[in-house]
Amino acid sequence: DVKVTQSSRYLVKRTGEKVFLECVQDMDHENMFWYRQDPGLGLRLIYFSYDVKMKEKGDIPEGYSVSREKKERFSLILESASTNQTSMYLCASSLSTYNEQFFGPGTRLTVL
Amino acid sequence: AQKITQTQPGMFVQEKEAVTLDCTYDTSDQSYGLFWYKQPSSGEMIFLIYQGSYDEQNATEGRYSLNFQKARKSANLVISASQLGDSAMYFCAMRGRSNTGNQFYFGTGTSLTVIP
Repeated sequence: DVKVTQSSRYLVKRTGEKVFLECVQDMDHENMFWYRQDPGLGLRLIYFSYDVKMKEKGDIPEGYSVSREKKERFSLILESASTNQTSMYLCASSLSTYNEQFFGPGTRLTVL
Repeated sequence: AQKITQTQPGMFVQEKEAVTLDCTYDTSDQSYGLFWYKQPSSGEMIFLIYQGSYDEQNATEGRYSLNFQKARKSANLVISASQLGDSAMYFCAMRGRSNTGNQFYFGTGTSLTVIP
């Protein structure tokens, strides 16, 4: 079974803090994704990576950056957290862009 | 712009009945893929079914089938013989292209409640 794990289920940070969300997959997938999920808006793609050190912007990359130094790990970075970044963050991975994505359990981030 | 539209925020269905969840998409690409995911109250996203734009047959996976009407740009999910465990949020998603490469779009979801 594909397993996608995220470093925290719940996280509370203060405005202006630097926040790291970590995601690890154990199935040697090429692609990894970061989404945020907000009520009434569905899931919106922040960034995805199709290879180590490679990334592409999604729909809403502003205020976020990512890092993929190893194939199995994809990090989402909030350089200076703001209250409008309070959300559920979902990481996913897939073998290719033609395959289904496997999702982690999510991190509920609250920025105070 | 590419996007996914799910017009039914909430749906109810009687147990053992069939239900159709609507999804329309907007793209100018020839090559794209359509996915459906289920999200129970526990929060995990579960892949259900996939349809490629060049697939001529409608996709089926057990009780799930995808009613793909390319000319109408619709990709409705049909769940047959509904079960109580089908109560969840359902998301339609599309793999498309932008000028920067691949893009992935999700709809706003439909909340399905199965009534005993």
